[in-house]
Amino acid sequence: KQEVTQIPAALSVPEGENLVLNCSFTDSAIYNLQWFRQDPGKGLTSLLLIQSSQREQTSGRLNASLDKSSGRSTLYIAASQPGDSATYLCAVKAQSNFGNEKLTFGTGTRLTIIP
Amino acid sequence: DTEVTQTPKHLVMGMTNKKSLKCEQHMGHRAMYWYKQKAKKPPELMFVYSYEKLSINESVPSRFSPECPNSSLLNLHLHALQPEDSALYLCASSIRRLAGDHNEQFFGPGTRLTVL
Repeated sequence: KQEVTQIPAALSVPEGENLVLNCSFTDSAIYNLQWFRQDPGKGLTSLLLIQSSQREQTSGRLNASLDKSSGRSTLYIAASQPGDSATYLCAVKAQSNFGNEKLTFGTGTRLTIIP
Repeated sequence: DTEVTQTPKHLVMGMTNKKSLKCEQHMGHRAMYWYKQKAKKPPELMFVYSYEKLSINESVPSRFSPECPNSSLLNLHLHALQPEDSALYLCASSIRRLAGDHNEQFFGPGTRLTVL
């Protein structure tokens, strides 16, 4: 069974700093990995999608990397801003036990940027 | 139109009520999903529809009944729910769901359901 873990569970950093969020997964046989942000009580906003054949993706101040063989992904946020405060979730798409494909979400990292 | 919409935003219902959640997208996506998210937990997949046909049911109790009347709409019919079913219900869509196709999923804002 695929398990996805995110460390740390919570992180507070001063505005302007660069930071890294971590995601690890137990089964490396994935199709892709997606990073989301979620504001309190809201839906999920897709940030970046990395296919299994890719090593990284970039969008603005965000850069996500994928090391499938070691079961790890990182989300790098440059020059953090208070508006970046949210919960960040990673999700891996893989074959489920029933032969279907499904997204399995990590436990999330709650990020607070201190002005 | 590049978003997934969900109605209502909030719903309070008794255990004997029948209600429905609605999800809509006009991006031409042919795969649609229902997820359940409890407080401070990650979303968990409930159902997947591919080309308007149910393709995944993650052992969800029958008091939850999904329906996909057309390629743009996804409903979740609720009946005889329990208080532990209170959660944020999220709808998502992706371009299509075929073997070998691994596209981005886009999520709606969710419906906050409270069962009394």
